[in-house]
Amino acid sequence: KQEVTQIPAALSVPEGENLVLNCSFTDSAIYNLQWFRQDPGKGLTSLLLIQSSQREQTSGRLNASLDKSSGRSTLYIAASQPGDSATYLCAVGRGDTNAGKSTFGDGTTLTVKP
Amino acid sequence: GAGVSQSPRYKVAKRGQDVALRCDPISGHVSLFWYQQALGQGPEFLTYFQNEAQLDKSGLPSDRFFAERPEGSVSTLKIQRTQQEDSAVYLCASSLDARPNEKLFFGSGTQLSVL
Repeated sequence: KQEVTQIPAALSVPEGENLVLNCSFTDSAIYNLQWFRQDPGKGLTSLLLIQSSQREQTSGRLNASLDKSSGRSTLYIAASQPGDSATYLCAVGRGDTNAGKSTFGDGTTLTVKP
Repeated sequence: GAGVSQSPRYKVAKRGQDVALRCDPISGHVSLFWYQQALGQGPEFLTYFQNEAQLDKSGLPSDRFFAERPEGSVSTLKIQRTQQEDSAVYLCASSLDARPNEKLFFGSGTQLSVL
C-alpha cells in the first residue's frame, strides 16, 4: 500500500525567504505526482503535476521536482509572500489509474510572516 | 458553472440520520471523484465516476455509503445511519476527461458533523 509522508507538518518563515517542502512515498511505481494548495475551509487547488517520465515542473515562483527511484519530491517556493500561507499537499497517482485516485500526504502548513 | 460547487456547505446530523451531499462538477467534465478529509489529514479517495458509470467504489468505508451520478453530471453522496466517525469534510473533484494526467478541480467541500 502506498504511503505518502510530508515533512515538516508545519513551517513558519519570514517574507522573502526561499523554502522547500518535502514529500516522500514508499512505492516508486507511480503514474504522476501532484502538488496542491489548500486554504482554510476551502478545497484544493492544483499547483503542479509531474508525470512519472518527468523530473520537474515550474510555474512562476514554484518548482517541483520528482525522483522516483528515491521516492521523493520537493516543492520549491522562491521569494515567499504572505499570500503563500496555506497547507500544501502532495498526491501520488498510482501506476494504473486515473490521476484523481491518488494517495495524499497529510500536508505541510506554511505560514509566511510579513 | 465556473467551478465545482458543493452543497450544503455545512451539515449537522444526529447519529442515525441519513444525509445527502451534492456535487455540481464543472460543465462537461467527464470524471468525478469523492474524497473524505479528516481534520489535519489529507483527502482519502472514496469513489470515482466516468460519466454516469461508477467505475471504482473501493474507498467507500462501509455499505452505509452510496454515491450516484445518474445523468453523468450532478452527483450525490448519501450516508445512511450516520455515525460519529463519519464526521469529516467531503470533497468532490472533477476533471475534463478520463486521461490519467488531467488536472483536478476541487469544490470547497461539505463539512459534516455527526452529533
